Amino acid sequence: GENVEQHPSTLSVQEGDSAVIKCTYSDSASNYFPWYKQELGKRPQLIIDIRSNVGEKKDQRIAVTLNKTAKHFSLHITETQPEDSAVYFCAATSNSGYSTLTFGKGTMLLVSP
Amino acid sequence: NAGVMQNPRHLVRRRGQEARLRCSPMKGHSHVYWYRQLPEEGLKFMVYLQKENIIDESGMPKERFSAEFPKEGPSILRIQQVVRGDSAAYFCASLAGSTDTQYFGPGTRLTVL
Repeated sequence: GENVEQHPSTLSVQEGDSAVIKCTYSDSASNYFPWYKQELGKRPQLIIDIRSNVGEKKDQRIAVTLNKTAKHFSLHITETQPEDSAVYFCAATSNSGYSTLTFGKGTMLLVSP
Repeated sequence: NAGVMQNPRHLVRRRGQEARLRCSPMKGHSHVYWYRQLPEEGLKFMVYLQKENIIDESGMPKERFSAEFPKEGPSILRIQQVVRGDSAAYFCASLAGSTDTQYFGPGTRLTVL
């Protein structure tokens, strides 16, 4: 089945810096890659997603890049703010065709003022 | 525009009791996924259901766990004879079927004493 690796597990940055989180996946048939933000005790919330027919997608301060050949995708957050502090999860669809998501283990992002 | 609803939000059970977790998908969504999140870990897929059908239960433990999504009413995840290792946050997510985007509920935090 699909395997998703996520790095780093923790990331500390100063407010205004950029943050990058990287994920790799194993199933070359995976075609959908969402990123979720989860604040403590809250539900995962979709912040951006990308499909395999696109190499890059941007939404204000957040961007995602996808390299299908290397089977890795990354989340980029620019001009970080303290409210960006949360756990971020990458995910990929499995090869079952049922849109089942396989998640990475998460990155705890801490943005210091 | 109600999102995905789950109840109860917190559930405490003693070892050997039964736990019933309920999930009401977003209006118009007929696909429900259940995920389990252990402390400081990512989300693990458990089961995928459509109305009255279990589509993929490859992530479900073989014993004590069952799920249903009846024609009327919420989807239910049932855990019989709970053990301490069942303590976790259980999230459901729904999608419309025409996209890959899954929207998560607030989760049920199960504590087994």
